[in-house]
Amino acid sequence: GAGVSQSPRYKVTKRGQDVALRCDPISGHVSLYWYRQALGQGPEFLTYFNYEAQQDKSGLPNDRFSAERPEGSISTLTIQRTEQRDSAMYRCASSLSRGGGNTIYFGEGSWLTVV
Amino acid sequence: AQKVTQAQTEISVVEKEDVTLDCVYETRDTTYYLFWYKQPPSGELVFLIRRNSFDEQNEISGRYSWNFQKSTSSFNFTITASQVVDSAVYFCALSEAFGKTDKLIFGTGTRLQVFP
Repeated sequence: GAGVSQSPRYKVTKRGQDVALRCDPISGHVSLYWYRQALGQGPEFLTYFNYEAQQDKSGLPNDRFSAERPEGSISTLTIQRTEQRDSAMYRCASSLSRGGGNTIYFGEGSWLTVV
Repeated sequence: AQKVTQAQTEISVVEKEDVTLDCVYETRDTTYYLFWYKQPPSGELVFLIRRNSFDEQNEISGRYSWNFQKSTSSFNFTITASQVVDSAVYFCALSEAFGKTDKLIFGTGTRLQVFP
């Protein structure tokens, strides 16, 4: 697609429910990232995929968070047993390849509110 | 450890004023990349510029200019003759050059409000 597409744009869920956030990267982009941005803060790295391989998940806060990219294109970030502290904007990003300071293009983000 | 500091939380100016957004970074890498992104009120994150650590030449793009000074670990962003449409949160970010990813380390952002 023309840009990084994320869905849903807005999600309100009850505490304890599972949520799945979807990301469709720019066509042909090998690298895919998930970031989380709390209000008033900069985005913080969660995880990185090179094709379908999850090569860095050091930013995932705990084991309730997981991500996959089974065919090297669309990715899903899943949060199990959501808690109020999970409320934030979740941003997906992609770049053409890894290394060398490639420009990372971000989607519009998915706002998650846990009530 | 890598770190980006944007000490200015919020700046307010009147249209047509010039404004400079400060960015100071820390890294032990000798090769790295610096970025600026714009987050308008609509919420998307828009890429503005990428600069590698070997290129200290200042860059100008229309009303935007960037001043990279390795000696002070700063990568400041100036908007000349600001306009209301420049109102946004601006983020400075850093990435390592030879790591296994291009993950970005962001500052906390500077909110710029331009009043008519």
